[in-house]
Amino acid sequence: DTGVSQDPRHKITKRGQNVTFRCDPISEHNRLYWYRQTLGQGPEFLTYFQNEAQLEKSRLLSDRFSAERPKGSFSTLEIQRTEQGDSAMYLCASSYSDRGHDYGYTFGSGTRLTVV
Amino acid sequence: SQKIEQNSEALNIQEGKTATLTCNYTNYSPAYLQWYRQDPGRGPVFLLLIRENEKEKRKERLKVTFDTTLKQSLFHITASQPADSATYLCALDIGNTGFQKLVFGTGTRLLVSP
Repeated sequence: DTGVSQDPRHKITKRGQNVTFRCDPISEHNRLYWYRQTLGQGPEFLTYFQNEAQLEKSRLLSDRFSAERPKGSFSTLEIQRTEQGDSAMYLCASSYSDRGHDYGYTFGSGTRLTVV
Repeated sequence: SQKIEQNSEALNIQEGKTATLTCNYTNYSPAYLQWYRQDPGRGPVFLLLIRENEKEKRKERLKVTFDTTLKQSLFHITASQPADSATYLCALDIGNTGFQKLVFGTGTRLLVSP
């Protein structure tokens, strides 16, 4: 396993277009998370999955955002009708769900979205 | 209101010295507190995790303390090296059972000069 993979690394899109990002987590991990990070800020939670079930969504995740994890493996994050304020780094992470270990989250390198 | 505060100013230290970074929080009751390292243009990398019932955790040159009364964590890097230069993020795990949602501070940039 080579860690958490995200694709693409960079995406430039015009305002109003739809974009989709993909995340491949570590296969042994059953939890998958999406975060968004803007310059000079820490990552902000968007949503997380346990296997294929989406268990929590942030209020930051407007109706234009949708995330899926159809078979409990990879996940996609789609943004419809992109706005300039959506420009950010979108980070995916995965982890175990039980409490009896000292491992944190494993993050991918992120997808840098620029809306022009 | 809920806040996580890390020193927004960069911390400059000389190689070989101990770096100490601070994370203070208000109005949270985290099950865990985690520290991450982030390099420019990369995702955060997990360093250490400490539970609410633990006072101290060590890993090689790293040490973290957690005081739930003061609502503060301290992160120490001993014998610092220029390769330790990065932004360090404090994160609170605030779900009821852990590993649900991390809330991050804004990070502190550490610069270690030779």
